[in-house]
Amino acid sequence: KQEVTQIPAALSVPEGENLVLNCSFTDSAIYNLQWFRQDPGKGLTSLLLIQSSQREQTSGRLNASLDKSSGRSTLYIAASQPGDSATYLCAVGGSQGNLIFGKGTKLSVKP
Amino acid sequence: EAGVAQSPRYKIIEKRQSVAFWCNPISGHATLYWYQQILGQGPKLLIQFQNNGVVDDSQLPKDRFSAERLKGVDSTLKIQPAKLEDSAVYLCASSLVGAGTGSYEQYFGPGTRLTVT
Repeated sequence: KQEVTQIPAALSVPEGENLVLNCSFTDSAIYNLQWFRQDPGKGLTSLLLIQSSQREQTSGRLNASLDKSSGRSTLYIAASQPGDSATYLCAVGGSQGNLIFGKGTKLSVKP
Repeated sequence: EAGVAQSPRYKIIEKRQSVAFWCNPISGHATLYWYQQILGQGPKLLIQFQNNGVVDDSQLPKDRFSAERLKGVDSTLKIQPAKLEDSAVYLCASSLVGAGTGSYEQYFGPGTRLTVT
């Protein structure tokens, strides 16, 4: 059974810092991995999708990497801003397209 | 492009009552998902449709939960009777394809926050 773990559960950093969020999964037979952002009381916003054949994806200040063999992904946020404060969720995609989520990392960026 | 629409946004009911949620996916998206997100947890898949057929409902508590997707577009999720532990956010998502490929992005609606008292 696939399990997804995100470390740390919470993170507080000063504005301008670069930071890394970690995601690990137990079964390397995944089809893709998706990173989401969730603001309080809101739905999920897709940030990056990495196909199983890819190593990384970039969008603006965000960079996500995938190492299937070791069951790990990282989300790198450069030059963090207070507007980046949210919960970040990692999810792995199975053969039927369904996603299995971690519990998320709650990020707080202090001005 | 319009996103995934859900209603209502909030619902408060007493235990043993029934409740229904509605979802309208992004136009042209064949696959629709319902997830349950309990406070402090990641979303958990309840049921997945491709067009109007069920792909996966292995985690749907079928004694009280039901879902349908008529004509392969809109979907409703129903709970009857509700229990206290059903208090959660119910998220609907859609993707262009999904089942059998696992390669397409999922787009989520704003969710329905259910409180059972």
